[in-house]
Amino acid sequence: DSGVTQTPKHLITATGQRVTLRCSPRSGDLSVYWYQQSLDQGLQFLIQYYNGEERAKGNILERFSAQQFPDLHSELNLSSLELGDSALYFCASSVAPGQGTYGYTFGSGTRLTVV
Amino acid sequence: GENVGLHLPTLSVQEGDNSIINCAYSNSASDYFIWYKQESGKGPQFIIDIRSNMDKRQGQRVTVLLNKTVKHLSLQIAATQPGDSAVYFCAENKPGGGKLIFGQGTELSVKP
Repeated sequence: DSGVTQTPKHLITATGQRVTLRCSPRSGDLSVYWYQQSLDQGLQFLIQYYNGEERAKGNILERFSAQQFPDLHSELNLSSLELGDSALYFCASSVAPGQGTYGYTFGSGTRLTVV
Repeated sequence: GENVGLHLPTLSVQEGDNSIINCAYSNSASDYFIWYKQESGKGPQFIIDIRSNMDKRQGQRVTVLLNKTVKHLSLQIAATQPGDSAVYFCAENKPGGGKLIFGQGTELSVKP
């Protein structure tokens, strides 16, 4: 157990639908990162939050949004889902942006399947 | 642009041999590098990191080498074991930023 909790582990939904993925960072970590991993692809950075504020954006689609709440958990919202959105979505956390004794700690991911 | 790439997509080694996984990065401003191991169905797991003010760092059975001149990173695994079979990713971080930029990954297969 890495200390980063992601729910749900698996999600199957239809095209056009909207889903919410949840992440609880490791205790003490203030920064949360979301990554997308498609089949045979590396990890693509989506977005980063630090203490409730958006810190950096990557290749995140306009159909996707995220937020970090006062209790530091984060949610990634994916809407108007397309088949190509099927992927593993990982959340990672660190003490502060760019800092961490052992890099960033990743959760076990949410596998999203759009049918 | 942002690009961290791996020279070999797959690597097959015999149990007990040493493994070397290579990575090229493109941003000379990156000052922190990490190697992650990802087993099937799991999230990336930290292996070892190195800062740009170092050339080499050793862990338990693993060594990371950094060559800033040619922007090259390598991960050496000594006495490779079947449990080392996984996909290995290198990642880089630029100063002042928080996000990690990942390479495509190398799949390491260890034959018993």
